[in-house]
Amino acid sequence: EVQLLESGGGLVQPGGSLRLSCAPSGFTFSNYAMSWVRQAPGKGLEWVSAITGGGGGTYYADSVKGRFTISRDNSKNTLYLQLNSLRAEDTAIYYCARPVVPAAMSAFDIWGQGTMVTVSS
Amino acid sequence: QSALTQPRSVSGSPGQSVTISCTGSSSDVAAYNHVSWYQQHPGKAPKLMIYDVNKRPSGVPDRFSGSKSGNTASLTISGLQAEDEADYYCCSYAGSFWVFGGGTKLTVL
Repeated sequence: EVQLLESGGGLVQPGGSLRLSCAPSGFTFSNYAMSWVRQAPGKGLEWVSAITGGGGGTYYADSVKGRFTISRDNSKNTLYLQLNSLRAEDTAIYYCARPVVPAAMSAFDIWGQGTMVTVSS
Repeated sequence: QSALTQPRSVSGSPGQSVTISCTGSSSDVAAYNHVSWYQQHPGKAPKLMIYDVNKRPSGVPDRFSGSKSGNTASLTISGLQAEDEADYYCCSYAGSFWVFGGGTKLTVL
């Protein structure tokens, strides 16, 4: 079964850092671009970042550019999102998502269960 | 990176059809045939319902259909069922990033 499992969320103070992980299973991870999408409590979905299958291309929403870093280790079958300089408005459930087809511009058909990040003092 | 515009809510009775609109710009919806729609039930992860404007993933009922004209995309749900009550989000590729709509709450009366 194709699955994604996020981890690493938690409570962090404003200005702090956190690293999220996403562990895929059931498909050849290195063939797929991957994305992170977040959802603030009671709010809509917001695309955060994407990375190409080989890791050479990374893309960010303006709201996180310069503060978040997406990366992947295909040898460890893991996707990461490093969150720095966190703000209250970064509080959200963070989902990793896989596209329908390996091409980066494809829609997201596989989603993890999400990991909650809470930024508060 | 402006969000796409969706109505905040729509409603319909069982068996009826409803259409949810999604308005973007010449930089996203109009520029690319990579519009997708997601269904989200409370406390659950989003589920892909339509991709590339009008394609349905395996397992999605053919009651769900998508279309696009200019900078506006639409999701139509025919033969409404109680389980269709959920939040629906449109999404468009916009050239190196993706943009979502604000979401539409569908109520089945």
